[in-house]
Amino acid sequence: RKEVEQDPGPFNVPEGATVAFNCTYSNSASQSFFWYRQDCRKEPKLLMSVYSSGNEDGRFTAQLNRASQYISLLIRDSKLSDSATYLCAVSLGGYNKLIFGAGTRLAVHP
Amino acid sequence: EAQVTQNPRYLITVTGKKLTVTCSQNMNHEYMSWYRQDPGLGLRQIYYSMNVEVTDKGDVPEGYKVSRKEKRNFPLILESPSPNQTSLYFCASLEGFNGELFFGEGSRLTVL
Repeated sequence: RKEVEQDPGPFNVPEGATVAFNCTYSNSASQSFFWYRQDCRKEPKLLMSVYSSGNEDGRFTAQLNRASQYISLLIRDSKLSDSATYLCAVSLGGYNKLIFGAGTRLAVHP
Repeated sequence: EAQVTQNPRYLITVTGKKLTVTCSQNMNHEYMSWYRQDPGLGLRQIYYSMNVEVTDKGDVPEGYKVSRKEKRNFPLILESPSPNQTSLYFCASLEGFNGELFFGEGSRLTVL
């Protein structure tokens, strides 16, 4: 079993739709959780950290479910510019290795 | 502008010809790391460094070397590249303890 797993997609959604991705992790001792966004052939960039209480940044909401060992990303009112691959990343915290999922591809169409 | 700079961005080489991919960051970060990204496998850590003269293996270190003689630079060395090292490579530096990873723009390497 992979340490961090994501549905590769693609998720094809129309503009304005709400879409959600999940990411499961295997190590219950994991402490730090992140969502990164990667555009085609570009470097990953931090989208948001995921806090225990959940957090929201505009149209994006991230949640952590420790009991079931997954994190989620919800995108409301999808824009064409949201089309990208979304990588989740998990670590034991601090300078411990950040383990990335293989990414979920999102394609938003007009 | 805060950035991580990698060179070369694109390289085609042949088996066995030593090459170095340079990485430099201007944010005074202590932690730096190299990843390779392959389809379906995601980002896998090759080597990382917590500070000058301190380096350690990641998940896939075989066939690679690194050095950290200065805080800002963290070159990746392929002593004898092989076709299975064809990949997209990213250098990254970490802001603070448990902070954000900043990635370079990536170096696409093809080994024939």
